[in-house]
Amino acid sequence: QVQLQESGPGLVKPSETLSLTCSVSGGSIGGYYWSWIRQPAGKGLEWIGHIYTSGSPYNNPSLKSRVTMSVDRSKSEFSLTLTSVTPADTAVYYCARLALAGPGSREGFFDLWGRGTLVTVSS
Amino acid sequence: EIVLTQSPGTLSLSPGERATLSCRASQSVSSSFLAWYQQKPGQAPRLLIYSTSTRATGIPDRFSGSGSGTDFTLTISRLEPEDFAVYYCQQYGSSPPITFGQGTRVETK
Repeated sequence: QVQLQESGPGLVKPSETLSLTCSVSGGSIGGYYWSWIRQPAGKGLEWIGHIYTSGSPYNNPSLKSRVTMSVDRSKSEFSLTLTSVTPADTAVYYCARLALAGPGSREGFFDLWGRGTLVTVSS
Repeated sequence: EIVLTQSPGTLSLSPGERATLSCRASQSVSSSFLAWYQQKPGQAPRLLIYSTSTRATGIPDRFSGSGSGTDFTLTISRLEPEDFAVYYCQQYGSSPPITFGQGTRVETK
């Protein structure tokens, strides 16, 4: 079955860039939207954005231009970069697969999740 | 942005009891595009329900969802020991952004 696994540094300094990768195994990366969601310790979930395998990112406006997402089909991976991080960006970051609400939609729900990776922003 | 408010914050129940969790939206959720997730400590969320009332693959039928417009409910008909967890609702009918509720904790009484 399809599995997702996040990877990346667990510690990032303030003002620097957070970079994470999600590896997709056990199935094709093609034909889906791939998402990033984060969760500060003891708090709720925040959608960061998602991207189709051929591009077309769709981001949370609250994160404005700090977010970049990409897909590498040859490696069956997708990535997140978040610039100018602050301690408020400390969270568990999850990658997930988006199941679309319907034909032509760009929204949906998350039917498959990675285990998550903790990223701490601290000097 | 649609704000989802879940209530109660914590539900204290015993195994075998019925759990009723509420999710209220600040404006109508388009096409009843609302999902529910279960999260246990140290784990990723797990999809339970989508499109208000459709159970995800492998989810037992003691979990059911209902509602429309701004008021949605997740019901667990008889709590099993493995059901004690945090539950989140999520709307995807009026994005961006996709939003989640703040969660309801179901704990053992």
